[in-house]
Amino acid sequence: GIQVEQSPPDLILQEGANSTLRCNFSDSVNNLQWFHQNPWGQLINLFYIPSGTKQNGRLSATTVATERYSLLYISSSQTTDSGVYFCAGAYNTDKLIFGTGTRLQVFP
Amino acid sequence: DAGITQSPRHKVTETGTPVTLRCHQTENHRYMYWYRQDPGHGLRLIHYSYGVKDTDKGEVSDGYSVSRSKTEDFLLTLESATSSQTSVYFCAISEAGGANVLTFGAGSRLTVL
Repeated sequence: GIQVEQSPPDLILQEGANSTLRCNFSDSVNNLQWFHQNPWGQLINLFYIPSGTKQNGRLSATTVATERYSLLYISSSQTTDSGVYFCAGAYNTDKLIFGTGTRLQVFP
Repeated sequence: DAGITQSPRHKVTETGTPVTLRCHQTENHRYMYWYRQDPGHGLRLIHYSYGVKDTDKGEVSDGYSVSRSKTEDFLLTLESATSSQTSVYFCAISEAGGANVLTFGAGSRLTVL
């Protein structure tokens, strides 16, 4: 099955800094999603982005399907951005496979 | 949690006892999923359902069974709990399966002593 690799595993930022999180897939995907898990454990879907670029406020995501990777950009980070960011993908299946996540800590 | 309720939210049980976790949705979504989350592993799919009485295995299905007798309810059963099944279990729903957005419940923390 598809292998999902996320980098970096950990990221520490000061408020106001920008960051880029990366997700690599071992094989093609036509379903790719980004999630944020806050410090209380709640999982929120950020983007459904099998290809192209999307933006939502300070967050944006780009997926280059032909090269099997996706990037999540966080600009002007805030303490509320802290948590774990997961990407997940699938190809012609309902079984979404998750990466192990990037843990982000934003300090004031 | 977008109309998804997991119960119980916390449970402590002993090795060898049966455990059932319930996921209830009010969104009338066709697809429902059970994931487990463990440190260092992210989220791993246990089982999922693509309709009433229609289920399929995920990556880590051994030791788990599921049932879906109604659109709104998806049950996860551990027939004989083991310490390796100590985890946080998340239910998720999706309107159109793999091509649509996955929405998660709040999670159920299970501790098997």
